[in-house]
Amino acid sequence: RKEVEQDPGPFNVPEGATVAFNCTYSNSASQSFFWYRQDCRKEPKLLMSVYSSGNEDGRFTAQLNRASQYISLLIRDSKLSDSATYLCVVKQTNSGYALNFGKGTSLLVTP
Amino acid sequence: EAGVAQSPRYKIIEKRQSVAFWCNPISGHATLYWYQQILGQGPKLLIQFQNNGVVDDSQLPKDRFSAERLKGVDSTLKIQPAKLEDSAVYLCASSLPGQLGNIQYFGAGTRLSVL
Repeated sequence: RKEVEQDPGPFNVPEGATVAFNCTYSNSASQSFFWYRQDCRKEPKLLMSVYSSGNEDGRFTAQLNRASQYISLLIRDSKLSDSATYLCVVKQTNSGYALNFGKGTSLLVTP
Repeated sequence: EAGVAQSPRYKIIEKRQSVAFWCNPISGHATLYWYQQILGQGPKLLIQFQNNGVVDDSQLPKDRFSAERLKGVDSTLKIQPAKLEDSAVYLCASSLPGQLGNIQYFGAGTRLSVL
C-alpha cells in the first residue's frame, strides 16, 4: 500500500466553485503534513502546512484527522489561477525529514 | 534571495549512456535532497544529505545511481548506465536542518529523456 494516497482527478470546476481534495496516509508515526502546489512543468511549491486544529489561509482551508489518518484541502471561490496539481505531503521524523508525496490531484478551473 | 539552482534544464540521452545533474542549494541550507518525479507521479526521494553526509539513500538504485556533496554545498547526481525507465524530472530541494526543515525549496528540475 502506498504511504500517501490521493484521488488523481482531474477535477474540472467552474470559476467560483468550492472544491475539496482528500488524502490518506498509512504511517501513523507521521509527524508533519503539507499541501504543495505544482504547476504544469514547474517545481512543487509549499501551499500550506496542515495542523491538527485545522488552518485557513484566505480561500484555502486544510484539515487533519489523525485518528482516521486523513488530510483535506478545501478551496473556496475557485480562480482560474488555482488550476494546478495539488500534492498531499507527509513527513516522518524517522525518515530524516524527507517528504513523502502523493501522486497529486489535478484541478482545472474553467471560465 | 537566490533559489535552488539546477542544471541542465533538459537532457536527452540514449540508453546505456551516462548523465550527471548539478544542484546548488539555497545559501545556508545544510540539508539537500534529490527527488525523481516520473510523469503522473509525485516526487520520490532518492537521497538526502545533511552537510556532506548521507542521511537516507534507501530508495537510490545504487547499481546505477550515485550522488555526492563533497564540500557540503553543491551536489551532483549521476546515472550510469541510464535505462529507459529513468526518464523523469530530477528535482533538487534544500532546507534548513531538522524541524526547521519543514519547508523544502525546490529547484526547477532537470528533465531527462532516455531514448
